[in-house]
Parts: sequence; structure tokens; C-alpha cells
Amino acid sequence: GQNIDQPTEMTATEGAIVQINCTYQTSGFNGLFWYQQHAGEAPTFLSYNVLDGLEEKGRFSSFLSRSKGYSYLLLKELQMKDSASYLCAVAGGSQGNLIFGKGTKLSVKP
Amino acid sequence: SAVISQKPSRDICQRGTSLTIQCQVDSQVTMMFWYRQQPGQSLTLIATANQGSEATYESGFVIDKFPISRPNLTFSTLTVSNMSPEDSSIYLCSVGPQGMGIEAFFGQGTRLTVV
Repeated sequence: GQNIDQPTEMTATEGAIVQINCTYQTSGFNGLFWYQQHAGEAPTFLSYNVLDGLEEKGRFSSFLSRSKGYSYLLLKELQMKDSASYLCAVAGGSQGNLIFGKGTKLSVKP
Repeated sequence: SAVISQKPSRDICQRGTSLTIQCQVDSQVTMMFWYRQQPGQSLTLIATANQGSEATYESGFVIDKFPISRPNLTFSTLTVSNMSPEDSSIYLCSVGPQGMGIEAFFGQGTRLTVV
């Protein structure tokens, strides 16, 4: 079956660093995506990993280990506007679609 | 990249009625995806819409309830039929990922409330 797990909720302090983990078991794999979704809005793309290792993009970094079926999203210098849900998604659907985890709701506090 | 215009952005509908959601893409794409996001949940794929063929539905979703049209490579519609309050969700159309390193793009979403 297809399974993507990530924590339901996390809380962090403004200016700090937070790591959101994602583990996956899918029948296919053409890459792993992280999306940010603010309440009531569509998801927006953050990062993409298809090879093992770390991809860095400004305050956001994403890591992938294909052998472990594991990824994390690292957010540095947290800002209040980073309060959102973060969706881990694997490109592994039979139709070429993304398979989404349930999302991690991050709350950034002053 | 792809820009997707989705409408309506929100609607409040009476139970038993139907609503058609439209998505227009600014480029030609082979596949378009329709997702549902129930309150507090993640995105669940409803169906894949290919131009010139019947849509492919995921387990738990049927054509009679969610008929889809795909008349050309830039446009698709999803109809939510005979609605009940359980259909209250956000519905999103999407294109991609179409290859390695190509992200998926989403329409703005349709927030549907059935009363």
C-alpha cells in the first residue's frame, strides 16, 4: 500500500529552527515534494528531492534518504508567517500523481 | 511553470444540487488531477483526467458522483453531484509533476459548503 507519515502538529519559537520529518512507503518513487499550505489556500511548492542528500533554498532545506524512506524539511530563522501546514508528498501514484501525507501544522510563537 | 485558473473560489450549495468546478491551464498538459481536501485533512486524489479518454477514478470515488470533462488539453471540469453535507471540502485541480524535477501546480481551490 501507499503510506506517508508525518507529525500532526509542531510548535516552535520565532527565530528558532524546526525539523519536520516524513517517512514513506510507496510502490513507486519519482521524487519527494514539500508544500506549504496556509489555511484556506492552495498548496505552494517549497522543495523537491529525487536523489539522496540535502537541498538548500534560502531558509528552507530538505533532505532525502531513499534507502530509509525518509525525508525532512528544515526551516531556519522561523518567522510568524511560517505558521502553516507542511505537506510531504511523493510522486509515486499510478497516474503520475502526488501522494500526500496528512500534513504537519506548524505554529510559530513569539 | 503553469498557471491554473480555478473557479468558483467558493460556494454554498443546497443539498441535493450539483456544482461544476472549472479549471483552465495556461499551457497544454496531458494529465490533470482533481483532489479533495476535507477539513483538517490532506489532499486525496479523486481522479485523473486525460484529454480524449474517460477519467480514471481512485478507490472510493465514482463517475456518477464526480463526473469529469476534459474537452481539450487546457481545460477540465469536475462536477459534484447530488451534494450532501459530507461533500463540504476544498476541491483542487492540479497539473504535474510531469517529469523529474517538475513540480505540481495547483489551482486556487474551490471551498464548497453544503447546507
